[in-house]
Amino acid sequence: KQEVTQIPAALSVPEGENLVLNCSFTDSAIYNLQWFRQDPGKGLTSLLLIQSSQREQTSGRLNASLDKSSGRSTLYIAASQPGDSATYLCAVVGNQFYFGTGTSLTVIP
Amino acid sequence: GAVVSQHPSRVICKSGTSVKIECRSLDFQATTMFWYRQFPKQSLMLMATSNEGSKATYEQGVEKDKFLINHASLTLSTLTVTSAHPEDSSFYICSARARGGERDGYTFGSGTRLTVV
Repeated sequence: KQEVTQIPAALSVPEGENLVLNCSFTDSAIYNLQWFRQDPGKGLTSLLLIQSSQREQTSGRLNASLDKSSGRSTLYIAASQPGDSATYLCAVVGNQFYFGTGTSLTVIP
Repeated sequence: GAVVSQHPSRVICKSGTSVKIECRSLDFQATTMFWYRQFPKQSLMLMATSNEGSKATYEQGVEKDKFLINHASLTLSTLTVTSAHPEDSSFYICSARARGGERDGYTFGSGTRLTVV
């Protein structure tokens, strides 16, 4: 069974810092990997989708990479802002959708 | 882009009553819809998968008679929590997969916060 782990579970950084969130998965047979943002009590917002054949995707200050062979993905956030504070979830799509445990990010003004 | 509308966003109900949550794909046909549950400080857990016109497939430990899922059309899926109890209080989210399949990713509803009192 696919297991998705995110490290760290929580992260607090001062505004302006660049940061990296990590996601690892145990089964490399995936279709794609998605990164989501979830604000407290809210639904999910899709940030980036990486197909299994791709290595990375970029959107604004966000860059996500995928190394399928090692079962790892990273989400890089440049020049963090207080508005980036949220929980970030990665999810891999194999024969079903598997979510990571999330990283709670706090950006301090 | 693809949009999934989920209603209601919040609902409070009395113990023993039933609650229906709707999930609609607004600008695409969702051949498959997924229902998730999230307890506080935990990750999302898949409850069931529904394909249009067929019975839903439930994950282990999810009571199919308690969580009724209907996917009668390509744009609408409903989750009914029957005889709700306080332990059913949770955040429920639906997601839909378009005809393109896994490669097109998934679109999520905005979620429903259910509180059973």
